[in-house]
Amino acid sequence: GDSVTQMEGPVTLSEEAFLTINCTYTATGYPSLFWYVQYPGEGLQLLLKATKADDKGSNKGFEATYRKETTSFHLEKGSVQVSDSAVYFCGGGSTLGRLYFGRGTQLTVWP
Amino acid sequence: DTAVSQTPKYLVTQMGNDKSIKCEQNLGHDTMYWYKQDSKKFLKIMFSYNNKELIINETVPNRFSPKSPDKAHLNLHINSLELGDSAVYFCASSQEARATIYFGEGSWLTVV
Repeated sequence: GDSVTQMEGPVTLSEEAFLTINCTYTATGYPSLFWYVQYPGEGLQLLLKATKADDKGSNKGFEATYRKETTSFHLEKGSVQVSDSAVYFCGGGSTLGRLYFGRGTQLTVWP
Repeated sequence: DTAVSQTPKYLVTQMGNDKSIKCEQNLGHDTMYWYKQDSKKFLKIMFSYNNKELIINETVPNRFSPKSPDKAHLNLHINSLELGDSAVYFCASSQEARATIYFGEGSWLTVV
């Protein structure tokens, strides 16, 4: 079935470092792709999304580009902050309600 | 102001009990969901309702029964709770297929 696979963590970076969290998808069609973020003790918040190939989602300095040729949707940020410490989930969805997630990547940013 | 709200946020209960988690969304969405997040943060869909009708029912024990009295509410009732039911349960909603899903803040269930 449809699924996403994301880089396992934890990822530990110093403040202002460059972040990449890899995500690839497997789907029979062309799913919408999402990145959600979960801060400690909170629910999931949508970080960014892309609905078709070559779309770039961006928010709060984070970016991800929907690449059909490599079936990828890698999350990047040029300069992370301590406040970015959270768990990041890659997700895909192509039919009603079937939003499937990767296993989450814990990011810790040190000052 | 909360778009998707669920109660209670924390619930500690004994094995064998029956409990419910309530969810309400004020976004006017047609579709609501329940997701389960285990201790390793893995998220999996349990149920989905569209306009009060069940459209997704993943492999979930029949001790779990969702109930949607109207399209703004989707409650989760759990019978005969087991230790393995301890998890965080997230309610969510969306407007239509492929649309963004909005999550509630989660209900932390601990079965002792």
